Amino acid sequence: SQQGEEDPQALSIQEGENATMNCSYKTSINNLQWYRQNSGRGLVHLILIRSNEREKHSGRLRVTLDTSKKSSSLLITASRAADTASYFCAPADRGSTLGRLYFGRGTQLTVWP
Amino acid sequence: DGGITQSPKYLFRKEGQNVTLSCEQNLNHDAMYWYRQDPGQGLRLIYYSQIVNDFQKGDIAEGYSVSREKKESFPLTVTSAQKNPTAFYLCASSIGSRTSGRYSYNEQFFGPGTRLTVL
Repeated sequence: SQQGEEDPQALSIQEGENATMNCSYKTSINNLQWYRQNSGRGLVHLILIRSNEREKHSGRLRVTLDTSKKSSSLLITASRAADTASYFCAPADRGSTLGRLYFGRGTQLTVWP
Repeated sequence: DGGITQSPKYLFRKEGQNVTLSCEQNLNHDAMYWYRQDPGQGLRLIYYSQIVNDFQKGDIAEGYSVSREKKESFPLTVTSAQKNPTAFYLCASSIGSRTSGRYSYNEQFFGPGTRLTVL
């Protein structure tokens, strides 16, 4: 399947540091989306990057996409304790007609005050 | 307020019982989805619906059933055939659009989830 695989599985940093999470996928994509999940809650959409884009910013978030390497990264700058959450990538398979996303297992980010 | 709601927040089921989880959205979205999440795991797709009166099986549909009689509602029934139903269930919706036979991959909006426990 076109499931995204996040790396690392867990990341622990101090407030103010930057956090980088990576996502790898297998086939050609239409777009790739990043989501955040606070413990026990639903997911929240963070950012969507299309296959013809290489970088996208939203506030303290920066997402890059390298289609030649089939990978994406999410950078959170100047992290805060409130950024503690799980982060998921979801590649959208270009070859599929179904319009569904495939979520990976996520990266658990812990930001210590 | 526009959004997607799930009820109940917590649900307890005895073995052998069927239970129905509610999902309602007032975002006027065509597409709706049901996911299951187990501890420390990602989301696995149970069923999804791109349009009213139509739905497709996801990756783990066995032991579950759905209906999509109204655009705003997509209830999930966990049947007694589901052997290990204890999990966190998430419903989502998105704008559905179709071009040349293909559905678009739009942002999904998630509900707050229902935690189901089998006693």
